[in-house]
Amino acid sequence: AQSVTQLGSHVSVSEGALVLLRCNYSSSVPPYLFWYVQYPNQGLQLLLKYTSAATLVKGINGFEAEFKKSETSFHLTKPSAHMSDAAEYFCAVSRYYGSSNTGKLIFGQGTTLQVKP
Amino acid sequence: NAGVTQTPKFQVLKTGQSMTLQCAQDMNHEYMSWYRQDPGMGLRLIHYSVGAGITDQGEVPNGYNVSRSTTEDFPLRLLSAAPSQTSVYFCASREGGVRSYNEQFFGPGTRLTVL
Repeated sequence: AQSVTQLGSHVSVSEGALVLLRCNYSSSVPPYLFWYVQYPNQGLQLLLKYTSAATLVKGINGFEAEFKKSETSFHLTKPSAHMSDAAEYFCAVSRYYGSSNTGKLIFGQGTTLQVKP
Repeated sequence: NAGVTQTPKFQVLKTGQSMTLQCAQDMNHEYMSWYRQDPGMGLRLIHYSVGAGITDQGEVPNGYNVSRSTTEDFPLRLLSAAPSQTSVYFCASREGGVRSYNEQFFGPGTRLTVL
């Protein structure tokens, strides 16, 4: 069975500092991996996704993530944090589920990013 | 396009009451789903549908019913509300059935409190 673990429920960085949000997955087959962001009182928005094309994936708002099969990781990074990056971030893996053989997203527990001025 | 819309935004129920959370999408997506979000647990799948007339259970289906009579609408019914169903509910949709790498689009959520 596939699962996702996000290390650290809260991460705090200073404005301008590197952002690193950690995600590890367990999968018996090559996965599809996603990072979503949730701003306060809003729904989830896709940041980026890995679909086995390139191991370094670039997303919106300057975020990127690197797929490392040997480490079963898909960590999210941004070189310089902005105040507007404060949000909750979710890593998710997709697998087939159910009689209709339809992809289902399995989410990690989420990491809240705080950006200090 | 309005994307995925949900109503109501907020709802307070008493234990034992029933209600329906509405979800609609105008992107002609085949796949629609309902999640609940609880602190420290991420999002968990309640029910999903791969097209009109086809629904299936997710991880936490107990206490919830769904139906899909049209491509656009996917309502979630709470039959007899319980305090354990206090949560934020999100509806999502995406293109395709087996193409699991497609992006899911999420609605703004419904915040439900059961007293």
